[in-house]
Amino acid sequence: KAGVTQTPRYLIKTRGQQVTLSCSPISGHRSVSWYQQTPGQGLQFLFEYFSETQRNKGNFPGRFSGRQFSNSRSEMNVSTLELGDSALYLCASSLIAGIVNTGELFFGEGSRLTVL
Amino acid sequence: QQQVKQSPQSLIVQKGGISIINCAYENTAFDYFPWYQQFPGKGPALLIAIRPDVSEKKEGRFTISFNKSAKQFSLHIMDSQPGDSATYFCAARGGDKLIFGTGTRLQVFP
Repeated sequence: KAGVTQTPRYLIKTRGQQVTLSCSPISGHRSVSWYQQTPGQGLQFLFEYFSETQRNKGNFPGRFSGRQFSNSRSEMNVSTLELGDSALYLCASSLIAGIVNTGELFFGEGSRLTVL
Repeated sequence: QQQVKQSPQSLIVQKGGISIINCAYENTAFDYFPWYQQFPGKGPALLIAIRPDVSEKKEGRFTISFNKSAKQFSLHIMDSQPGDSATYFCAARGGDKLIFGTGTRLQVFP
């Protein structure tokens, strides 16, 4: 069974640009969450999607957005990039929304974004 | 408070030793406490988890100790091995959100 796939794995952007990251969840998983990982800050929750609807949102500015498609694949977008957006962006899928029932998130290997 | 405080930030242990990572929380509504392990270049993966009605859970060399009254929980790695070198994240579930600690980088030297 294939795991969570994230693309691209690495990318470099400059300030002011925008970026789109993609995530394909494990087959059958309908919930996709996004996290930002930075040294010293750990994993910061961005948002969660289930059945194409955003269920939860973390404390990030509106420059961070996402969406989910009917096949459960998800994308996140960051507009007007800032230096502080440099981070590893992790996508995680779970069987049911909000991990309420399974309690487990399955993470991809992440997309490492560098903003120059 | 929706925070989970994790310490230490980094830990160096000799092979065969015991690694201990501590976490503390404030929100008594948290109802599930997992630990995730992350190897370099990989995403975090669930290692072991505990619910607040249990004081200890052991899986192989990994043990979670949970102190509900102190609102603290810890991960103990017995007989630490170089292959355990990774970053460890504690987490707590509040509602349907998983709140992560800031991580502990563990290095086990032979």
